[in-house]
Amino acid sequence: GESVGLHLPTLSVQEGDNSIINCAYSNSASDYFIWYKQESGKGPQFIIDIRSNMDKRQGQRVTVLLNKTVKHLSLQIAATQPGDSAVYFCAENQETSGSRLTFGEGTQLTVNP
Amino acid sequence: NAGVTQTPKFQVLKTGQSMTLQCAQDMNHEYMSWYRQDPGMGLRLIHYSVGAGITDQGEVPNGYNVSRSTTEDFPLRLLSAAPSQTSVYFCASSYSGGRATEAFFGQGTRLTVV
Repeated sequence: GESVGLHLPTLSVQEGDNSIINCAYSNSASDYFIWYKQESGKGPQFIIDIRSNMDKRQGQRVTVLLNKTVKHLSLQIAATQPGDSAVYFCAENQETSGSRLTFGEGTQLTVNP
Repeated sequence: NAGVTQTPKFQVLKTGQSMTLQCAQDMNHEYMSWYRQDPGMGLRLIHYSVGAGITDQGEVPNGYNVSRSTTEDFPLRLLSAAPSQTSVYFCASSYSGGRATEAFFGQGTRLTVV
């Protein structure tokens, strides 16, 4: 079936560097693509989303890029901090499905001091 | 405002036992969902609800029942626990419409079936 998945399971960066987390998706019918952050022992936390008719959206220290031609989504984190260490999931949503989210497998981001 | 509250945080069941995982939200969200998360994996949708009195199946509904008698509560029932149901369970809620992508998750219930 169609799914959302990630290229790399782990990513290690130095504090202060920029991080790029990637995601490949296969469902062209998705209306939204979303990034969630999950810290150890906690539930996922919404970071940012992007509608399928956009190619870039910026938030506070984060930028999401969407390339529909190659079905690729990325999350860029500027000036990565130790508090950014977590597992990052991409997810997709179709408006007709209400709140249904389809999650990818996750990337573990480790920030080294 | 407490957000999404799940109880219990931990539970051990014997095979064949039944139990109910509780979920409550105080944000007046229309949408509520249950997910399970297995080690090293993403979340998979079990059941969801778009409002009181309305529920529907997600990706992995077998062995679970839900009901939504009020806007606030969305309990998940395991009918006859099996070791394959050992997992971490997350409840989530969100507003409807264009804000449905911003789901608020509870802290999770870690369930072990022996």
